[in-house]
Amino acid sequence: EVQLVESGGGLVQPGGSLRLSCAVSGFTFSTYWMTWVRQAPGKGLEWVANIKGDGTEKYFVDSVKGRFTISRDNTKNSLYLQMNSLKAEDTAVYYCVRDLVHGSPGGMGYWGQGTLVTVSS
Amino acid sequence: QSALTQPPSASGSPGQSVTISCTGTGSDVGGYNLVSWYQQHPGKAPKLMIYDVTKRPSGVPDRLSGSKSGITASLTVSGLQAEDEADYYCFSYAGSNNWVFGGGTKLTVL
Repeated sequence: EVQLVESGGGLVQPGGSLRLSCAVSGFTFSTYWMTWVRQAPGKGLEWVANIKGDGTEKYFVDSVKGRFTISRDNTKNSLYLQMNSLKAEDTAVYYCVRDLVHGSPGGMGYWGQGTLVTVSS
Repeated sequence: QSALTQPPSASGSPGQSVTISCTGTGSDVGGYNLVSWYQQHPGKAPKLMIYDVTKRPSGVPDRLSGSKSGITASLTVSGLQAEDEADYYCFSYAGSNNWVFGGGTKLTVL
């Protein structure tokens, strides 16, 4: 059974940093692109970043470029999102996501439960 | 990376059909067959309902179907049931390794 479990969320002051983790199980982690999606309270979904299975390609939404870093440790079956210079508008539930099947990018079939990040003084 | 355009709300009575539109541009929806749809109930993680424009994951009822014409993708829910009441989001590849969601549509079953 595919499982994705996020952790690391919490309250942080503007300008601060936070590192989110996503522990995965039930599939060969190194063969899948992984994605972070976020949702601000009461708002819609936003694609944040993704990373190739071997970690060699990483892409970000414009609003987080230069502030967020995505990485993975395939030996630990873990995905990470390092968030620096946090702003109030980064407040959201962050989801760790995997595509349903190889060859169908964007068909995000597996989602974690999400972890809440609150940026406030 | 502008959000795709969805109607804020849609509604229908049990048993009826409802179609939710998702309008983009030639650089996203119109340029690739990489449109997916997600259902989200309050307080829950989104659930994949349609991918690659028309494909249904295992377990998703065939009452749901996806299509695309030009720069507009659509999700049709037939035979509306109370459990279909939720928020629905479209999602598309936007080129240059970017992806974009629609603003979401709240579907109400009357």
